Amino acid sequence: EIVLTQSPGTLSLSPGERATLSCRASQSVRSSTLAWYQQKPGQAPRLLIYGASSRATGIPDRFSGSGSGTDFTLTISRLEPEDFAVYYCQQYGFSPRAFGQGTKVEIK
Amino acid sequence: EVQLVESGGGLVQPGGSLRLSCAASGFTFSTYSINWVRQAPGKGLEWISYISSSSRTIYYADSVKGRFTISRDNAKNSLYLQMNSLRAEDTAVYYCARDAIPKAFVWFDPWGQGTLVTVSS
Repeated sequence: EIVLTQSPGTLSLSPGERATLSCRASQSVRSSTLAWYQQKPGQAPRLLIYGASSRATGIPDRFSGSGSGTDFTLTISRLEPEDFAVYYCQQYGFSPRAFGQGTKVEIK
Repeated sequence: EVQLVESGGGLVQPGGSLRLSCAASGFTFSTYSINWVRQAPGKGLEWISYISSSSRTIYYADSVKGRFTISRDNAKNSLYLQMNSLRAEDTAVYYCARDAIPKAFVWFDPWGQGTLVTVSS
């Protein structure tokens, strides 16, 4: 079973700043089969990124994903007020398709 | 519009049972695999079960294996989760989430809005 570890647990930033979130896998993730989701309080998760770097439909280009193997990054180039949320990574190359524990991006 | 709507959550005593439903619309339900994912209060996401489009392949997380049963009715565009022998640690919001691409083991999109299950005496 692949374990995903996200860091940091909480990121305190101001609107307009750049956010860099990390997701590390316990073993190599097959063919960049990694997704990122955003979850706001009281809402369901929303797909942001799949295939490690492909943006989902309707996702603004300030969100970008990168990485391969065991190390992946979600970058938000300039934080907008609506971007303060919890972000989860998920690998889907192996069963079970587990999630990381999440990174909370909060307003500083 | 592609939509998943969960129902059936509520308060149940430890050891009790509950059946969740997920109604799908806006897509050809019978061609997609579907998952159940849960989220305990203040915690992260936990995948718990998967069912293929034909129901031929089913997976469970160890945490629910032997107690929960996933099923689907393609004629009714509906997914189910029968939960037995419920424990306090099963308290969570339960989401159904579709595999994004038919016949492929991929990411989840879309997700339903979730239904809350509370296990307490």
